[in-house]
Amino acid sequence: EPEVTQTPSHQVTQMGQEVILRCVPISNHLYFYWYRQILGQKVEFLVSFYNNEISEKSEIFDDQFSVERPDGSNFTLKIRSTKLEDSAMYFCASSRDGSYNEQFFGPGTRLTVL
Amino acid sequence: QKEVEQDPGPLSVPEGAIVSLNCTYSNSAFQYFMWYRQYSRKGPELLMYTYSSGNKEDGRFTAQVDKSSKYISLFIRDSQPSDSATYLCAMSANSGGSNYKLTFGKGTLLTVNP
Repeated sequence: EPEVTQTPSHQVTQMGQEVILRCVPISNHLYFYWYRQILGQKVEFLVSFYNNEISEKSEIFDDQFSVERPDGSNFTLKIRSTKLEDSAMYFCASSRDGSYNEQFFGPGTRLTVL
Repeated sequence: QKEVEQDPGPLSVPEGAIVSLNCTYSNSAFQYFMWYRQYSRKGPELLMYTYSSGNKEDGRFTAQVDKSSKYISLFIRDSQPSDSATYLCAMSANSGGSNYKLTFGKGTLLTVNP
């Protein structure tokens, strides 16, 4: 069964460093998302991406964040200068099209900012 | 008022019990309703997906949506220890474009005791 994959599973970084989180969505899906979950809190929407551009972004997704689909399979989230409060689980999700909104999530990347 | 409210539990039941999980919401634009299961430190796994009001059944799981009351439920029949997880409700509006961000509840931690 196709699934969303994410790498790395755990990333430890120093405050102020740049990190790139990688995702491979399900191959025939066209809509891509990033969410994050701070420990003990809700899963929160960060950004949606369709047709090689951002469709919507949340207040959390400020200028420190960017997304890219560098090739036909990968979808990345970059945080330019990490802060302590960026420590969270980051989930990538994808959905097939806009008619059905069944979003399938990857296993997540745990980001720890020291 | 929070957009999506979900009792975090914890909820502990004996094996074989019927489990009822619920969420309320305030945004009348929500039309797509989902239930996800999340094991500790893993990604959310899509369990049930419903559009608008009504019931949907899949094996031991039944999802109900009552849009007039802004209330959704997930019932688990003949609960098993393997059902022990956090259950997240999620919902989205049809904004007419490619914006289908999910808004999550905080999740209910369920333990099914053998």
